[in-house]
Order: sequence, then C-alpha cells, then structure tokens
Amino acid sequence: GAGVSQSPSNKVTEKGKDVELRCDPISGHTALYWYRQSLGQGLEFLIYFQGNSAPDKSGLPSDRFSAERTGGSVSTLTIQRTQQEDSAVYLCASSLGPGQRNEQFFGPGTRLTVL
Amino acid sequence: EDQVTQSPEALRLQEGESSSLNCSYTVSGLRGLFWYRQDPGKGPEFLFTLYSAGEEKEKERLKATLTKKESFLHITAPKPEDSATYLCAVQAVGGGSNYKLTFGKGTLLTVNP
Repeated sequence: GAGVSQSPSNKVTEKGKDVELRCDPISGHTALYWYRQSLGQGLEFLIYFQGNSAPDKSGLPSDRFSAERTGGSVSTLTIQRTQQEDSAVYLCASSLGPGQRNEQFFGPGTRLTVL
Repeated sequence: EDQVTQSPEALRLQEGESSSLNCSYTVSGLRGLFWYRQDPGKGPEFLFTLYSAGEEKEKERLKATLTKKESFLHITAPKPEDSATYLCAVQAVGGGSNYKLTFGKGTLLTVNP
C-alpha cells in the first residue's frame, strides 16, 4: 500500500487479557517505530526496529510489552495481561534507514481500550 | 533528557487571522525538528523537517522557522480546514541509529469561519 497500515483500528479487551497489534510499514522503509499516545499526553516512544538489527526496546514501559518484526517488514506489538493504564492509541511509523531522509510516516493507529 | 514544550495548548482564530505556534526544545544535540498535523482519530501527518538554525520551510499557508532554542509555525490567513492539533518533535544526535522522536503535547488550533 501507499502508506503505513495498522490493524485493528479499535480493540476493546478485558483486564488481564493479551492483545496483539499489527503494523505494515511503507514498502522499502527499513526503520519501524512504535509510539503510544495517551489522553492528554504527548506521543511516547516504545520500540525501534532497523533492518535485521536487534531492536531498541528502551521505551517499553514494562516487561508485559514486547514486539517483533518478521522478515524486516510487518511488526506485531504484544501486550500481555493488559491493565487499564494500557488504554491508549498505539501508533506505528516507518522511515528510510539511517543516513537518509528520516521523516517518519505514521499509520492511523490502533485505539486500545482495557475494561 | 530531551524535552519539547509547545504553546499555547489551544488557540482559537477567526478565518484570515494570522498567528504563530511555538515549540521550545532542549536537546543534547539536534539532528532534526519535525512538525506534524494530527486530525481527530487519525495518525500524525508529516509537514516539515528543519535541521539547522535559520532554516525556514513553507507549505501553502504554513511556514516553519528554527532557532537554537525554539521553532515557530506561522499560519497566514488560516482557513477552517487548517483546524487540527499541530505537533512538534525533535530527533537527537547520540541515539546511535535510533532516530526516535520526542514529541511535545501539541497545540489544538481551531479556525472559525
């Protein structure tokens, strides 16, 4: 596709359940980022993938959060044992690799609601 | 720690009334400063990248400028369709190949007809 796509667009889950959020980056973009946008807060960095390198997980808020990127393309963010404070919009962005124009292009986001 | 502060939090303008949004930043070394527009229920839409003090970029009614401490987004003769949240973000040198963005909380702009 022409842009970054994310699925699902909305996810409602019960506290304690696991959820998986998917991101499909722009074709040819080697860098992929996950951010979280909570009500009244700015976008918060979570995790970064570059090609086949080990991801930078420095922004993950707890060990309940994990992410993987298969084949250098699609990425999945997994939240285990969800808590109410995990409710937010999860945004994925992609960009060309380091040393190139590094504007990040965002997907539409997944709105997660934990009841 | 990198920090970005945007002001005002909200701005209401009449159509045609020009104004400016401010983005103040502190960063160990600036790789780039980015402006995005975000409409309700959508992801941020890229507007501009500025790399060095004195640089300016323009797009339609928007012009972004950069100094060593802040950036301004000037809106000339705005229209109701310019209503959105405008986000400022910085990329810092020293993150290795991690070009993560540090965002401000945004300015909610409303332009009334």
